Amino acid sequence: GENVEQHPSTLSVQEGDSAVIKCTYSDSASNYFPWYKQELGKGPQLIIDIRSNVGEKKDQRIAVTLNKTAKHFSLHITETQPEDSAVYFCAASIITPLVFGKGTRLSVIA
Amino acid sequence: EAGVAQSPRYKIIEKRQSVAFWCNPISGHATLYWYQQILGQGPKLLIQFQNNGVVDDSQLPKDRFSAERLKGVDSTLKIQPAKLEDSAVYLCASSSSGTSGSLYEQYFGPGTRLTVT
Repeated sequence: GENVEQHPSTLSVQEGDSAVIKCTYSDSASNYFPWYKQELGKGPQLIIDIRSNVGEKKDQRIAVTLNKTAKHFSLHITETQPEDSAVYFCAASIITPLVFGKGTRLSVIA
Repeated sequence: EAGVAQSPRYKIIEKRQSVAFWCNPISGHATLYWYQQILGQGPKLLIQFQNNGVVDDSQLPKDRFSAERLKGVDSTLKIQPAKLEDSAVYLCASSSSGTSGSLYEQYFGPGTRLTVT
């Protein structure tokens, strides 16, 4: 079955800097790659996703890139703000079910 | 649009007791999922329903876990008897049938934090 590895497990950045989180997946048939943000005491919130027929997608300060050949995808957050502090999860699937990485705890230091 | 609702938000039980969790998905979403999230890990799928039928329950420990979605809307997840290793957050998610949204996008509820002592 699918296996998703996520790095780093923790990331601290200064406010205004960029943050990059990387994931690799094992099943070349996976075609959907969402990113979720989870704040303390809340459920995961979908922040951006990408499908296998697209190499990059951007939404304001957030972007995701996908390299199907290397089977890895990345989340890029620019101009980080304190409210970006949370745990971020990547996932991969062939529609369903989602297989999640172990998460990255992002801390944005003001 | 109202999100996925779950209750209770917190539950503390002793091992060998039983517990039940309730989920109400986003209106019109045909697909409902239950995930288990152990502290420090990503969510892991337990069971997936399409309307009131089970699509995938391959990772559900069926000797102690059961789930149902009788009328294709609300769902309950039950654990009986609970073990210490069942301590986790139980998340419910839903996604549309595709007629009014993306098949792919899953929306999560706030979760139920279960502590087994």
